[in-house]
Amino acid sequence: QSVLTQPPSVSEAPRQRVTISCSGSSSNIGNNAVNWYQQLPGKAPKLLIYYDDLLPSGVSDRFSGSKSGTSASLAISGLQSEDEADYYCAAWDDSLNGYVFGTGTKVTVL
Amino acid sequence: EVQLVESGGGLVQPGGSLRLSCAASGFTFSSYDMHWVRQATGKGLEWVSAIGTAGDPYYPGSVKGRFTISRENAKNSLYLQMNSLRAGDTAVYYCARASSGTRGGMDVWGQGTTVTVSS
Repeated sequence: QSVLTQPPSVSEAPRQRVTISCSGSSSNIGNNAVNWYQQLPGKAPKLLIYYDDLLPSGVSDRFSGSKSGTSASLAISGLQSEDEADYYCAAWDDSLNGYVFGTGTKVTVL
Repeated sequence: EVQLVESGGGLVQPGGSLRLSCAASGFTFSSYDMHWVRQATGKGLEWVSAIGTAGDPYYPGSVKGRFTISRENAKNSLYLQMNSLRAGDTAVYYCARASSGTRGGMDVWGQGTTVTVSS
């Protein structure tokens, strides 16, 4: 049972924008950096966003991250078929003294 | 090329032990904190363990006391000793590099090694 809650799935048409929410608490999102990972089918996860809103080198600027209080969001603009994947938020949790992943969200491009 | 390669997975009986290895290359291994993350078939990602550059370990409650993370910087290697294995430990195990401290993002991942706990 994860302490970071995400919607199980979101779907949208190509070229549209989707947003994935990640709800946590003061011990994780509220006090630590949020990271987002993309996992394509059958592949290892890939770091998509770090320190709440920073993009690693090579990641498309169609992806963006934000945080407010104990919640964070990942937005994907100009949705493409290649964006179909599972997306996970994650953060360090001070109470658990460990890293926690979100429940994961499957993005489907209609 | 920056790379992580896991090995050591396999089939083990409940209550048994297994040692996973992760070989790092293309970067200064000793300068980075490292993680183990697992994923059961059809399930989400679960953090298993982390180790700092000084060898300080971190575990979630689900594996604490059963798993031991270690590193051998001279061999650019990360390990996970897993004891008292249970069916619930069946998963693909990934090693990952922490980009900026244990609390930062994991920016390099291996391809994973499969652990199956079954009689």
